[in-house]
Amino acid sequence: GAVVSQHPSWVICKSGTSVKIECRSLDFQATTMFWYRQFPKQSLMLMATSNEGSKATYEQGVEKDKFLINHASLTLSTLTVTSAHPEDSSFYICSASVTGTNEKLFFGSGTQLSVL
Amino acid sequence: QKEVEQDPGPLSVPEGAIVSLNCTYSNSAFQYFMWYRQYSRKGPELLMYTYSSGNKEDGRFTAQVDKSSKYISLFIRDSQPSDSATYLCAMSDRGSTLGRLYFGRGTQLTVWP
Repeated sequence: GAVVSQHPSWVICKSGTSVKIECRSLDFQATTMFWYRQFPKQSLMLMATSNEGSKATYEQGVEKDKFLINHASLTLSTLTVTSAHPEDSSFYICSASVTGTNEKLFFGSGTQLSVL
Repeated sequence: QKEVEQDPGPLSVPEGAIVSLNCTYSNSAFQYFMWYRQYSRKGPELLMYTYSSGNKEDGRFTAQVDKSSKYISLFIRDSQPSDSATYLCAMSDRGSTLGRLYFGRGTQLTVWP
């Protein structure tokens, strides 16, 4: 069964508004979670590594002030897309590891963001 | 050159066919190799996880790794319409710890009845 829950599954918003996406680890604690973005027919691109109790580590080219990550507890990380624009429309996916290793890394079901 | 190359397809086969999916990579530090299945508008689901070179079999799925050629494959035997999805290869230089995964762009597979 699903071990990583992501919400919402899809969201439509107006340009200039902010959107929050939640990623929860179910029945396990995750000190580290990952956030990816995927454009149609493209690969998953790592955006940032979310660490519980500390600042996220962003990949080169990802604006940290635009994509705010908060990992306030061992089971919840949130990604907020601030002042969203149409070019931010994409599929966002989080992942977390049950064992703290790559071998047991599971992904959420993803969030399709459409910015009008 | 991208770190991981994967032909996006699409690949269309009849039910019962053997499917071969492949990826190449450039980073010789990669030691851990994964195959994920992704249905449309869903998160990836781990199918196979292998370490270093060799074969690993799980039911109808066989993963092969050839580190000398920097080439990995996933074979699906007796393919079913339910296997229709996008298959992503991924790899890392870490397995016993947590680290970044490098993904191919995925191969779209359709198995028709």
